[in-house]
Amino acid sequence: GQQVMQIPQYQHVQEGEDFTTYCNSSTTLSNIQWYKQRPGGHPVFLIQLVKSGEVKKQKRLTFQFGEAKKNSSLHITATQTTDVGTYFCAGLPSGGYQKVTFGTGTKLQVIP
Amino acid sequence: DTGVSQNPRHKITKRGQNVTFRCDPISEHNRLYWYRQTLGQGPEFLTYFQNEAQLEKSRLLSDRFSAERPKGSFSTLEIQRTEQGDSAMYLCASSITWEQYFGPGTRLTVT
Repeated sequence: GQQVMQIPQYQHVQEGEDFTTYCNSSTTLSNIQWYKQRPGGHPVFLIQLVKSGEVKKQKRLTFQFGEAKKNSSLHITATQTTDVGTYFCAGLPSGGYQKVTFGTGTKLQVIP
Repeated sequence: DTGVSQNPRHKITKRGQNVTFRCDPISEHNRLYWYRQTLGQGPEFLTYFQNEAQLEKSRLLSDRFSAERPKGSFSTLEIQRTEQGDSAMYLCASSITWEQYFGPGTRLTVT
C-alpha cells in the first residue's frame, strides 16, 4: 500500500532560524495537502498542492510539490514560537482513489 | 459553532465492550472521513463517505469496526469487542473538496 514518509521526525530550532520538512510518497500523487497539529489539538489544514512543480507561499511558509508528484516540502522562514507543532503532509494517490494517507509527521520545537 | 463536532470527547471502556462514537460534520460538507491517531503518529485512515455511501474502507480495519452515515449527515463509528490495542484518538473530518476540517476527536481508553 501507499506509504508517506517525512523527515526529520523531530526538529528543534532557535527562534528566528529556518525550518524545512520533507515528505516522500511511495506512489505518484494526485495532490498533496499539509496540516499543522498543535500539542493537544487536531490537524488544521494549511494548503493543497496539485500541479507538478507547484510552489505556494503563505507569509513565512513556502510549500513545494515535486516534479514527479511524489515528494513535497514545507519551509518556514524565521520561525516563531507560534510555529510549534507537528506538521503532516497528506497525499491522495493518483488513479481515482479516495484514501488520503498522512505522513509520519515532523514535530517542530522552537526555542525562544 | 459551525465546525465539526464529535461525541463523546472521552470514553473509557473495559476490554470486550462495544463503543459507539458520533461525528457531526459541517452541514454543507458531503465528504466525511474517520481516522485513528496514536501518540506520535499521523492520522491513520479508517473509512470515507461521500454523502451516505461508504466509498472506501481501510484494509487495516477488522470486522469489529463499522461505520454508518445515514441520510448523509452525521456519522457513527462502532467498535465491537474492544481490545487494548484500540486505545487511540478517533478523529472525524469533513470536506467539500479535499481540504479536510477535523473535529476535536474522541479519545478511547480500553482497560
